[in-house]
Amino acid sequence: KAGVTQTPRYLIKTRGQQVTLSCSPISGHRSVSWYQQTPGQGLQFLFEYFSETQRNKGNFPGRFSGRQFSNSRSEMNVSTLELGDSALYLCASSLADKVGNEQFFGPGTRLTVL
Amino acid sequence: AQSVAQPEDQVNVAEGNPLTVKCTYSVSGNPYLFWYVQYPNRGLQFLLKYITGDNLVKGSYGFEAEFNKSQTSFHLKKPSALVSDSALYFCAVRDPYSNYQLIWGAGTKLIIKP
Repeated sequence: KAGVTQTPRYLIKTRGQQVTLSCSPISGHRSVSWYQQTPGQGLQFLFEYFSETQRNKGNFPGRFSGRQFSNSRSEMNVSTLELGDSALYLCASSLADKVGNEQFFGPGTRLTVL
Repeated sequence: AQSVAQPEDQVNVAEGNPLTVKCTYSVSGNPYLFWYVQYPNRGLQFLLKYITGDNLVKGSYGFEAEFNKSQTSFHLKKPSALVSDSALYFCAVRDPYSNYQLIWGAGTKLIIKP
């Protein structure tokens, strides 16, 4: 099976712009989670989607949004970018039929905001 | 509040010595516990998990972890460290009382010296 794929891998934007990141989960996985990873803050949970519904949400401002499509692919959007949004954004998928299922991570999208 | 603590930012171990990376948690109910590893310039990978049953669980690359309910801990261990074990290790727990949201520790950098 192909792993979790994320596009693009690298992105450079300027403050005030918006960005959309894409994630394709492993085939058959219905849950997709998004994380922000920075050297100082570690791994911060953004949101989790299951069957096109947001199941959990982290403590991020409304500028961060996401969605999941019927084929389980997911996108996250960040509007009005700030310098502090520069980070590695990770997507993870899991089977989600049992909460004990582990997550499988993609390589991430490295976002740089100038 | 639900939380996961990894009390050591960094652990240094000589190659061939046993290693321990500590994790304690604070959640209501019976938790689902996970360890993940992030090698340099590579994505996060699942190592092992505890759902129920035997308190000692074995995972990838010779790692194991012991669930201790009374001490609310889930320490990661390996009998003999390899230089290639050098990486960033994350402990995570699913909280059954928070819609099974996955809560992450801050991560511990493990450095194995030859």
